[in-house]
Amino acid sequence: QVQLVESGGGLVKSEGSLRLSCAASGFIFSDFYMSWIRQAPGKGLEWLSYINTRGTNTNYADSVKGRFTISRDNAKKSLYLQMDSLRAEDTAVYYCARVQGADDYGFDLWGQGTLVTVSS
Amino acid sequence: YELTQPPSVSVSPGQTAKITCSGDTLPKQYAYWYQQKPGQAPVLVIYRDTKRPSGIPERFSGSTSGTIVTLTISGVQAEDEADYYCQSADSGGTYVFGTGTRVSVL
Repeated sequence: QVQLVESGGGLVKSEGSLRLSCAASGFIFSDFYMSWIRQAPGKGLEWLSYINTRGTNTNYADSVKGRFTISRDNAKKSLYLQMDSLRAEDTAVYYCARVQGADDYGFDLWGQGTLVTVSS
Repeated sequence: YELTQPPSVSVSPGQTAKITCSGDTLPKQYAYWYQQKPGQAPVLVIYRDTKRPSGIPERFSGSTSGTIVTLTISGVQAEDEADYYCQSADSGGTYVFGTGTRVSVL
């Protein structure tokens, strides 16, 4: 079935690193832009990063630029987020999401999310 | 850039809820709306300002006027109680979410 499944979340100390993964199934992964979005406890949604279909173009929110790196492996139908220099304020549920495509920039498919907790 | 929403909207069952989202870039960019229930991932309910994805009830509609886009829920049901977020993006790969609105069904 069509779905995204995140993994890799957990408890990490401040200044540590973590790599999140997102496994896609049920659709042609290589046809779609992808993004990472997070939600801190009790807060709103925050877009973090996007990657184009071939992984040749990326963009980041200012809050994570220089610390987080998005990548993808189309052969493995997987999206990744390498998170370095983590801070307490990075504590959140992290979602991967599929961008609609065809000049539509909405997110039409979301994973269930993975919780990242950064302890100080 | 920022997208601003009212923090909360209250509505009685069967009535109409209107949620606004304001931003200077909205005249040039499409808006998208999401519904998020507690403990769940968001769900896209409106795309390209006014279009409904398949499976979304007809009581959800979107409209736009200048720098303000509006999500309207007609004939609100108890199950519509949730947080709602607008979102926009530019062609260069910068995306932004609105501040979010909690809809309470009284």
